[in-house]
Amino acid sequence: DSGVTQTPKHLITATGQRVTLRCSPRSGDLSVYWYQQSLDQGLQFLIQYYNGEERAKGNILERFSAQQFPDLHSELNLSSLELGDSALYFCASSAPWGDFEGHTGELFFGEGSRLTVL
Amino acid sequence: QQQVKQSPQSLIVQKGGISIINCAYENTAFDYFPWYQQFPGKGPALLIAIRPDVSEKKEGRFTISFNKSAKQFSLHIMDSQPGDSATYFCAASIEGGSEKLVFGKGMKLTVNP
Repeated sequence: DSGVTQTPKHLITATGQRVTLRCSPRSGDLSVYWYQQSLDQGLQFLIQYYNGEERAKGNILERFSAQQFPDLHSELNLSSLELGDSALYFCASSAPWGDFEGHTGELFFGEGSRLTVL
Repeated sequence: QQQVKQSPQSLIVQKGGISIINCAYENTAFDYFPWYQQFPGKGPALLIAIRPDVSEKKEGRFTISFNKSAKQFSLHIMDSQPGDSATYFCAASIEGGSEKLVFGKGMKLTVNP
């Protein structure tokens, strides 16, 4: 158990709809990352938040948005869904940066939310 | 443009054999190279990581070999076991952290008993 909790585990919806994925990071972790995993693209970095602020942006579509709340949980909002958005969405958290020997930088992934768009 | 290229895409080995997964990168600014292991239905988990100031790092049956001049690094799994059957991702980042970590597409390893 990584300590990162994601809900829901599975979600089936229709094209054009909007969904929200939720993530609770490990206790004490300030950074939250969102990744999309598909068969052909592997793990694609979407966005990172650090202590409530957007820190880095990857290949995130304009139809997608995210935020991190004061209690450090994060939500990924996916709107105007298309068939191609069907994928596994992972949230990960990491501890504040420090010494490498302390395994700083390690990402702790949740078990993912599987989104199916029909 | 894929910044980290992983090969092969899949591998089948017999129990006790050696599994080798290769990765190549293009960005010479990368300075942190982790490998993540993912079992079906689970999220990836850090297996082992290396920085470019060393050419090899070993943890149990798992070894990373790093070739800075060739911009390649590889994961060797010695005495492969059926429990090692998983998908393995190489990754790379700048400034040694997990921010903007770039992953390879993954390699599915099957170890037959």
